Amino acid sequence: EAQVTQNPRYLITVTGKKLTVTCSQNMNHEYMSWYRQDPGLGLRQIYYSMNVEVTDKGDVPEGYKVSRKEKRNFPLILESPSPNQTSLYFCASSFGGTNTYNEQFFGPGTRLTVL
Amino acid sequence: GDSVTQMEGPVTLSEEAFLTINCTYTATGYPSLFWYVQYPGEGLQLLLKATKADDKGSNKGFEATYRKETTSFHLEKGSVQVSDSAVYFCALSEKGNKLVFGAGTILRVKS
Repeated sequence: EAQVTQNPRYLITVTGKKLTVTCSQNMNHEYMSWYRQDPGLGLRQIYYSMNVEVTDKGDVPEGYKVSRKEKRNFPLILESPSPNQTSLYFCASSFGGTNTYNEQFFGPGTRLTVL
Repeated sequence: GDSVTQMEGPVTLSEEAFLTINCTYTATGYPSLFWYVQYPGEGLQLLLKATKADDKGSNKGFEATYRKETTSFHLEKGSVQVSDSAVYFCALSEKGNKLVFGAGTILRVKS
């Protein structure tokens, strides 16, 4: 089954304790992206990757890191989480290129709470 | 920069009622337009899309028409069901794969 998986689905942590949220897709997609969803703000892009070893900042990258060492995986790293990073996080993937109409496939989400 | 504005919710309807969720956008060029739906506890999934002016996207009884003159992409359905209860996001893409989302509209359908 074609899918995007994320782990963990739920995480409660404390300020300053490094964490990683994993994302994996099995559709051979070039493009992968992380979004955060907050009430009243919709989804905002954190980081994206056009392909292996190619990553760039989205609209709200502060406090986050990513890496793309393999095509299928795109982990999100919070080196020193703070309470304002409490949110619902989604990973997404799609075929690459310059098209604007590619469907993006979303993971099930990771609900993060930072105390 | 690009932006999407959609009507605030929640929208509460009775089963078989007509649904409209308004969406307007601001973009410098000619974006592709999307509606994504998020069912409770799940990720987003594409509902429909349109890639140029006057295109109509449709799926599962939902429709939306790309109106360049009014920069709008309103979502409609003639007869909603309880199973349509979800959060609906309007979005645009003007640069490659990046999506710019509206705030989302909660739809609640009562039986």
